[in-house]
Amino acid sequence: DAGVIQSPRHEVTEMGQEVTLRCKPISGHNSLFWYRQTMMRGLELLIYFNNNVPIDDSGMPEDRFSAKMPNASFSTLKIQPSEPRDSAVYFCASSYDSGTQHFGDGTRLSIL
Amino acid sequence: AQTVTQSQPEMSVQEAETVTLSCTYDTSENNYYLFWYKQPPSRQMILVIRQEAYKQQNATENRFSVNFQKAAKSFSLKISDSQLGDTAMYFCAFLRGGSQGNLIFGKGTKLSVKP
Repeated sequence: DAGVIQSPRHEVTEMGQEVTLRCKPISGHNSLFWYRQTMMRGLELLIYFNNNVPIDDSGMPEDRFSAKMPNASFSTLKIQPSEPRDSAVYFCASSYDSGTQHFGDGTRLSIL
Repeated sequence: AQTVTQSQPEMSVQEAETVTLSCTYDTSENNYYLFWYKQPPSRQMILVIRQEAYKQQNATENRFSVNFQKAAKSFSLKISDSQLGDTAMYFCAFLRGGSQGNLIFGKGTKLSVKP
């Protein structure tokens, strides 16, 4: 079975550019999570969706960050404009009612 | 608010030996789940083991087992017969039960298995 699929795997861009990260959850899962991992802050939740509806976006740093889930099989996390402090690994995870979250391979984002 | 604490930033173990990673958590909930995830240098987040708080029996998965002490809010991971492929960051995580909430992670323990 296919796991959670994230793209791109790596992204390097210049400050001020728009960045879009993509995620395809496991088929049949009804919750989707975006996490960010940094050395300073560890793994922290940015936002999560249940049945395509955003439930908790309290972790989204500021208005530069936005996330959408237009259907059950696709989500995007967008940063506009990007800043060097946004450099991190971004993980997408999905789950069903069991609560166990399955993670994608992450996107390593570097903002120059 | 829930918190998860891993007090050992780094540990090392000889191949074939046993090692225990510590985790404590703080919550007022009675229904919850606990997890250990492994993150090797490839940066994948791999589920190692899961424990439901209502179960008294400690979870086991092959060489991995936990010591779940609910009253003490302790959830340690024991790795038996350590292998070189066990070298990774290990994260303890908490999930509030009864909802599809987010995981609360500890800061991680970097485990090195030495030949």
